[in-house]
Amino acid sequence: EDQVTQSPEALRLQEGESSSLNCSYTVSGLRGLFWYRQDPGKGPEFLFTLYSAGEEKEKERLKATLTKKESFLHITAPKPEDSATYLCAVPDSNYQLIWGAGTKLIIKP
Amino acid sequence: ETGVTQTPRHLVMGMTNKKSLKCEQHLGHNAMYWYKQSAKKPLELMFVYSLEERVENNSVPSRFSPECPNSSHLFLHLHTLQPEDSALYLCASSQDWSSTDTQYFGPGTRLTVL
Repeated sequence: EDQVTQSPEALRLQEGESSSLNCSYTVSGLRGLFWYRQDPGKGPEFLFTLYSAGEEKEKERLKATLTKKESFLHITAPKPEDSATYLCAVPDSNYQLIWGAGTKLIIKP
Repeated sequence: ETGVTQTPRHLVMGMTNKKSLKCEQHLGHNAMYWYKQSAKKPLELMFVYSLEERVENNSVPSRFSPECPNSSHLFLHLHTLQPEDSALYLCASSQDWSSTDTQYFGPGTRLTVL
């Protein structure tokens, strides 16, 4: 069964304290992995798409990496405005996105 | 207006009411989606439309009825809802269905069923 699991469920960091969020997946044939950011009361905002193991993408303080079983979203020297819920998703064989439940990131000033 | 818009942003309705959610995309995309997002649960895909034709219906109760009059507009008609239907309803669009095109989301409608 196709599945996406994100950990931890919540993460509290001090401003400037770097860390990583995990997205592990089981799917028959990887067709890409998507990362989104969601602020309270808003829709998900697209961040990255990764297509193959070893691929990396960066945007400001965020860097996403991909292996054959999981993806990491590394956040370097985070700021309070990075606080949000981060979601990952992978397409199944019908190209429907299978979503993780998200990691709620809180950055304290 | 740019991107994907949704109205209303908030909706409170009784179990016997009938209401509709509206979504409009200004991106020139061919595919549109309805998702349900409940607290601490993954997004649940409800319906997919491609070029105004429904291509997916993920075992959604008949009290939810979608309508796609053209490739830019999508509606979700609601009737006789249950309290457990309270959630954030998200609309999204992508260039094409059946691909790995990025989906872009609207701000959502926060629905409360009393």
